[in-house]
Amino acid sequence: DAKTTQPPSMDCAEGRAANLPCNHSTISGNEYVYWYRQIHSQGPQYIIHGLKNNETNEMASLIITEDRKSSTLILPHATLRDTAVYYCIVRVVQAGTALIFGKGTTLSVSS
Amino acid sequence: GAVVSQHPSWVICKSGTSVKIECRSLDFQATTMFWYRQFPKQSLMLMATSNEGSKATYEQGVEKDKFLINHASLTLSTLTVTSAHPEDSSFYICSGREGRETQYFGPGTRLLVL
Repeated sequence: DAKTTQPPSMDCAEGRAANLPCNHSTISGNEYVYWYRQIHSQGPQYIIHGLKNNETNEMASLIITEDRKSSTLILPHATLRDTAVYYCIVRVVQAGTALIFGKGTTLSVSS
Repeated sequence: GAVVSQHPSWVICKSGTSVKIECRSLDFQATTMFWYRQFPKQSLMLMATSNEGSKATYEQGVEKDKFLINHASLTLSTLTVTSAHPEDSSFYICSGREGRETQYFGPGTRLLVL
């Protein structure tokens, strides 16, 4: 699976949009971009995933660049409960293969 | 999203004893289940992958005789830590996926070995 690079930490004011970047310059054509987050002392929570089109759901939006070498997760109106470690993972969608976690970005939302 | 449960949520045991952790997929059939562990201030590390009815595949450095994994049904997998020692104290997280679908995670089990 392609390697991803994320900033170790980011801060965001409550109510503002949080834009979390992810670099995956070695991504191959059949690899998807997945985002998960882990709130302290809990299991990871699925947020969103995409292949090449931008995606939006009730939690977030995922913007993937045209060359697919980077992406941005957008939390439109961050709240204190969004404070967590956010993981960007690139993987082939194939039965039996696991997600491999990097170090992620620690997002701190403050009032 | 789909729901994965784990039991117990935390356990304290004496060194040398065995501990079993259950992982259940509540609203989907987990054809594949994964076990991870996480040490403080570190990321999740994959321990093993198991397909229903098959033997688990362990990651390098994970002792298969120490961490026994059973995936007997499409909704249940168990991890047994045998002869636990203090260095096995960690946060154990299971995850399930149905086919090629999204992978969902349980809430984790915190193990403390005294």
